Amino acid sequence: NAGVTQTPKFQVLKTGQSMTLQCAQDMNHEYMSWYRQDPGMGLRLIHYSVGAGITDQGEVPNGYNVSRSTTEDFPLRLLSAAPSQTSVYFCASSFQGSLNTEAFFGQGTRLTVV
Amino acid sequence: AQKITQTQPGMFVQEKEAVTLDCTYDTSDPSYGLFWYKQPSSGEMIFLIYQGSYDQQNATEGRYSLNFQKARKSANLVISASQLGDSAMYFCAMREGGNNDMRFGAGTRLTVKP
Repeated sequence: NAGVTQTPKFQVLKTGQSMTLQCAQDMNHEYMSWYRQDPGMGLRLIHYSVGAGITDQGEVPNGYNVSRSTTEDFPLRLLSAAPSQTSVYFCASSFQGSLNTEAFFGQGTRLTVV
Repeated sequence: AQKITQTQPGMFVQEKEAVTLDCTYDTSDPSYGLFWYKQPSSGEMIFLIYQGSYDQQNATEGRYSLNFQKARKSANLVISASQLGDSAMYFCAMREGGNNDMRFGAGTRLTVKP
């Protein structure tokens, strides 16, 4: 099983450029989320989705956009990249409404904005 | 407000010795789950162990055990017989009942010395 697949693995952007980070899962999980990881701050929730057509904001949503047209895919869009968005991004998925199930993570995307 | 606190940015342990990584949490929800993840230098997030708020016994998984002290709101990870491969970042996370979000602490970097 592929699990959670993120692309690309690395990306360099210029300030003001836009891009989409792709995330796909093949475990039929309803819940998907995006985190960013910064040194000393752990993982912070950007956006999440509880199913196709439903998305909501997490702790740090500004500058990011998401959509969920299918159960499998949950892309994250940077509308106008800023150096403050330099980070490692993780997509995660899990079964919804189940307290004890682990979240499965993608391999991460290391994004640098210059 | 920070809900998960990991007060040890870095820890060192001698190979074959045991080590405890601290985690305290804050919630008013009586139903919650606590998770520990390992992140090696390769970057992936690896699920290690889970403890539910209603679990009567401390969770164990091989060399990993969770010292769960509910009244103190602490969920410390104990790694027995440390191995060089245990060198990694370790994250404590919590999911509250009725909420799919998983919130993370800042992490502890563990280094195992030969």
